[in-house]
Amino acid sequence: GAVVSQHPSRVICKSGTSVKIECRSLDFQATTMFWYRQFPKQSLMLMATSNEGSKATYEQGVEKDKFLINHASLTLSTLTVTSAHPEDSSFYICSCQVEDTQYFGPGTRLTVL
Amino acid sequence: DQQVKQNSPSLSVQEGRISILNCDYTNSMFDYFLWYKKYPAEGPTFLISISSIKDKNEDGRFTVFLNKSAKHLSLHIVPSQPGDSAVYFCAASFSGTYKYIFGTGTRLKVLA
Repeated sequence: GAVVSQHPSRVICKSGTSVKIECRSLDFQATTMFWYRQFPKQSLMLMATSNEGSKATYEQGVEKDKFLINHASLTLSTLTVTSAHPEDSSFYICSCQVEDTQYFGPGTRLTVL
Repeated sequence: DQQVKQNSPSLSVQEGRISILNCDYTNSMFDYFLWYKKYPAEGPTFLISISSIKDKNEDGRFTVFLNKSAKHLSLHIVPSQPGDSAVYFCAASFSGTYKYIFGTGTRLKVLA
């Protein structure tokens, strides 16, 4: 299957700071990438759909000004959590669309103190 | 409103036996379904998928069954191995949108 990487794998930051998470497709080009969030013992919740060269589409209830998504190339999408707060602490996972299947990155554990 | 449900949060199976994981959905417009396996602190790994035009798809030890009238799908793992111990998520989507709705997951434990 397709290989997707995320960086960093974990990050701890102070409340009020911004954190950038990168998602890369390593051996293919991804026109569409997705960003998910998973809270402990819960399901993966889609946050937004990221399309190369255009604005991201956010799911209901996700603040676009807080979770900035940039899909500048066919192999890279970034998620920036702006002015992070403790309630933003979660596991963030990206995925890349390949035909009918999404392939997921390893995830980023964000802890906001 | 949870459109995709996995009613069993956990399942324990003896090594070598069959594991059956179940998933129910409420929206009859879903037409593509997938199963993913997830280890703690890792991203989900794609296992197998099925289109609504089929009722069965098989790949090695993994078989997915789809019952559209019951809005139910299941994943069968035969024979189960200790390395299969993980959380399994089913997902549903509408063709053309590529947006997945995930179930809540079932933790499978295969006992040696």
